[in-house]
Amino acid sequence: NAGVTQTPKFRILKIGQSMTLQCTQDMNHNYMYWYRQDPGMGLKLIYYSVGAGITDKGEVPNGYNVSRSTTEDFPLRLELAAPSQTSVYFCASSTEDSPGLEAFFGQGTRLTVV
Amino acid sequence: AQTVTQSQPEMSVQEAETVTLSCTYDTSESDYYLFWYKQPPSRQMILVIRQEAYKQQNATENRFSVNFQKAAKSFSLKISDSQLGDAAMYFCAYRSWYNNNDMRFGAGTRLTVKP
Repeated sequence: NAGVTQTPKFRILKIGQSMTLQCTQDMNHNYMYWYRQDPGMGLKLIYYSVGAGITDKGEVPNGYNVSRSTTEDFPLRLELAAPSQTSVYFCASSTEDSPGLEAFFGQGTRLTVV
Repeated sequence: AQTVTQSQPEMSVQEAETVTLSCTYDTSESDYYLFWYKQPPSRQMILVIRQEAYKQQNATENRFSVNFQKAAKSFSLKISDSQLGDAAMYFCAYRSWYNNNDMRFGAGTRLTVKP
């Protein structure tokens, strides 16, 4: 069972560079999320999607973009990397079939912007 | 907006002993879900236990149980017979029934288990 798969696991970016964090899930979940985790902090929601073609902003969307062309994939795009985007990024998915929409997480991507 | 507070940045417990991790939350809503997630060094977030706010009975999962006090807005996690594999960061999380796209997390408690 693959669950939620994120790539890459680690990445170093220079200021101003762009990159896409990939996320795919094989559980046919409608809901997908991107979170960031800063040191000593809990996870904060960047963007979410309730289905293919539908995305919306979370708590900290500035500097990021997303798309959801298929149920399985939910990539996160950083256009102009800044040091403030140094963080660990988690993709998650959930389904209304699970009480409380229990979130299933990927293993995270550690991003450093220098 | 809802907030989740974990007042214990670090906790330690002796192997086979019991430890309780604290969590409080602030909300004006009556219906919601609460979760405890475990994050071991591998970074994988793993669901430990969940509680529906409309249920008065405290949730249990093997060695893990919660003390849910709705009026006090408190949701503590008790780990019994602690094992070395329980060492991890533990996050308390809140999800609204009405706006279920937003899950709010606490800052986490790092649990150390001493052999």
